[in-house]
Amino acid sequence: AQSVTQLGSHVSVSEGALVLLRCNYSSSVPPYLFWYVQYPNQGLQLLLKYTSAATLVKGINGFEAEFKKSETSFHLTKPSAHMSDAAEYFCAVTPSGSARQLTFGSGTQLTVLP
Amino acid sequence: EAGVAQSPRYKIIEKRQSVAFWCNPISGHATLYWYQQILGQGPKLLIQFQNNGVVDDSQLPKDRFSAERLKGVDSTLKIQPAKLEDSAVYLCASLGDGHNEQFFGPGTRLTVL
Repeated sequence: AQSVTQLGSHVSVSEGALVLLRCNYSSSVPPYLFWYVQYPNQGLQLLLKYTSAATLVKGINGFEAEFKKSETSFHLTKPSAHMSDAAEYFCAVTPSGSARQLTFGSGTQLTVLP
Repeated sequence: EAGVAQSPRYKIIEKRQSVAFWCNPISGHATLYWYQQILGQGPKLLIQFQNNGVVDDSQLPKDRFSAERLKGVDSTLKIQPAKLEDSAVYLCASLGDGHNEQFFGPGTRLTVL
């Protein structure tokens, strides 16, 4: 069984400020972890993924995430927010080995203030 | 490489009517998924196909929802009859053998009045 908890359904940051979106997971087997972004009226786009290699994963648009097994966390960060980062972000987990059984969190809506 | 295609993008129907959504996955991708995304929630898996066979439909409300992938390529999801609580975005995704990333289509936004 696997699950994802995203703390904070809404996060607001000022342009240029640090972005931190929290994700904690539960999995009975070693996981793969993903962050997806969804812009209004669009599908999900992969930001980055952890697949048992390096624990610090770099993705597109300057985002990165660190897998911390001891904390069962996979938080998403970006040093400096841009207006174009405003979107909904989803963390997802699947048993390691493939992306066949994704379980999503409930999402975090990121607002970037000018 | 073309992405996952879905149509229509938007659909408005009245309750008790029927509706169908179409998905064409990335060429060569054997695994196809339908997800339901209710406003304010993450996507929830409805059904998973491997080629033209169903792998997992445990969360599909089979009294009103049906899906098929007859030739192992494109797929259709149908709702008959629709209820108000079916208002959601229906996402299609595909996965290629040996890949570890699902690719998502733009979704169909269904509004049931």
